[in-house]
Amino acid sequence: DSGVTQTPKHLITATGQRVTLRCSPRSGDLSVYWYQQSLDQGLQFLIQYYNGEERAKGNILERFSAQQFPDLHSELNLSSLELGDSALYFCASSGSGGGETQYFGPGTRLLVL
Amino acid sequence: AQSVAQPEDQVNVAEGNPLTVKCTYSVSGNPYLFWYVQYPNRGLQFLLKYITGDNLVKGSYGFEAEFNKSQTSFHLKKPSALVSDSALYFCAVRFPNSNSGYALNFGKGTSLLVTP
Repeated sequence: DSGVTQTPKHLITATGQRVTLRCSPRSGDLSVYWYQQSLDQGLQFLIQYYNGEERAKGNILERFSAQQFPDLHSELNLSSLELGDSALYFCASSGSGGGETQYFGPGTRLLVL
Repeated sequence: AQSVAQPEDQVNVAEGNPLTVKCTYSVSGNPYLFWYVQYPNRGLQFLLKYITGDNLVKGSYGFEAEFNKSQTSFHLKKPSALVSDSALYFCAVRFPNSNSGYALNFGKGTSLLVTP
């Protein structure tokens, strides 16, 4: 158990809908990262938050957004969902340094029908 | 362009034999290097990392990796494979001076199959 929790574990929804994925980082970790894992794109970095502020953006679509709350949990919002958004979404957390290990949650498997 | 590569989609090894999972990277500067393992329907588990110092890094479950700067490689190794080591292995790199904060760039993954 990495100490990172993600809810829900599974999500099935329809095209055009909006969903919210939730992540709680390990105790004491200030950084939260979101990654998407799909068969065709592999593991891709989406976005990073550090202590409530957006730190870096990767290959995140404009339909996707995220935030980190004062209690450090984070939410990833996916809107106007398309079939191609079906993937495994991971949250990871780490301390503040560049060499800090990122610990991953169990993921949320999203299926868009 | 900066990149990380895992040249083998699959590695097959017999139980008890040594295993190697390859990773190479292309970057100017000194990257931070990581190995993760993913079991079916599970998240990624951290195995080991190289930041600086000794080129041979020891990690969890008996795994180790050797950083080779001249060959820009960071191969994962284990002296004696177990059937339970069968999983998907990812090499990840955090490039120096990256505009992506501390994000990890992952290889495509290598499926390791250890047969009894």
